Amino acid sequence: QVQLQESGPGLVKPSQTLSLTCTVSGGSISSGGYYWSWIRQHPGKGLEWIGYIYYSGSTYYNPSLKSRVTISVDTSKNQFSLKLSSVTAADTAVYYCARELRGYSYGVFDYWGQGTLVTVSS
Amino acid sequence: SYVLTQPPSVSVAPGQTARITCGGNNIGSKSVHWYQQKPGQAPVLVVYDDSDRPSGIPERFSGSNSGNTATLTISRVEAGDEADYYCQVWDSSSDHPYVFGTGTKVTVL
Repeated sequence: QVQLQESGPGLVKPSQTLSLTCTVSGGSISSGGYYWSWIRQHPGKGLEWIGYIYYSGSTYYNPSLKSRVTISVDTSKNQFSLKLSSVTAADTAVYYCARELRGYSYGVFDYWGQGTLVTVSS
Repeated sequence: SYVLTQPPSVSVAPGQTARITCGGNNIGSKSVHWYQQKPGQAPVLVVYDDSDRPSGIPERFSGSNSGNTATLTISRVEAGDEADYYCQVWDSSSDHPYVFGTGTKVTVL
């Protein structure tokens, strides 16, 4: 059973960089056919996709966040990470990591982490 | 960018059928996925590719997709089905391809 677990600071100061790591267990992040995404949910709101990475290091980001987002992968640790720079209160959200299964169709997020709340505040 | 519209809320009595719609321009040409999210928990995939169910998801959950509307149907609703439900598509024509619906709160009366 694949499991994903987010980790990182729950409080970040405005203008600083938010950094989160997702540790994958029960399966290899290097397995082909899977893309690894970050998705966030503002308090009481809907889901917003941030970006993905493939185990090879190939990335794709939400255009609205692209200038501030970096996603990286460490296959030796079976982890991938999110960095979001120049954060403001508008970046306060629950951040999820998720696995996307690509087969017949795209965008099927079949496994999710439990989510971690990141608050941006001084 | 592509927009998916869901009703904010649906109420249903136990044992009845809940239908949650997801509207989008020619959504019938896309594959629609549905997620269930209970309070304080991560979303869970309940239907993918319009009508397929992941293992472990009860047969009470079914989906359809045609024209401008996709529908998630929950038959024989139980108290445990009370949650937010989100539809989602991958829009190949957009630079923001991962699109989630606005979400529907299902209340079991």
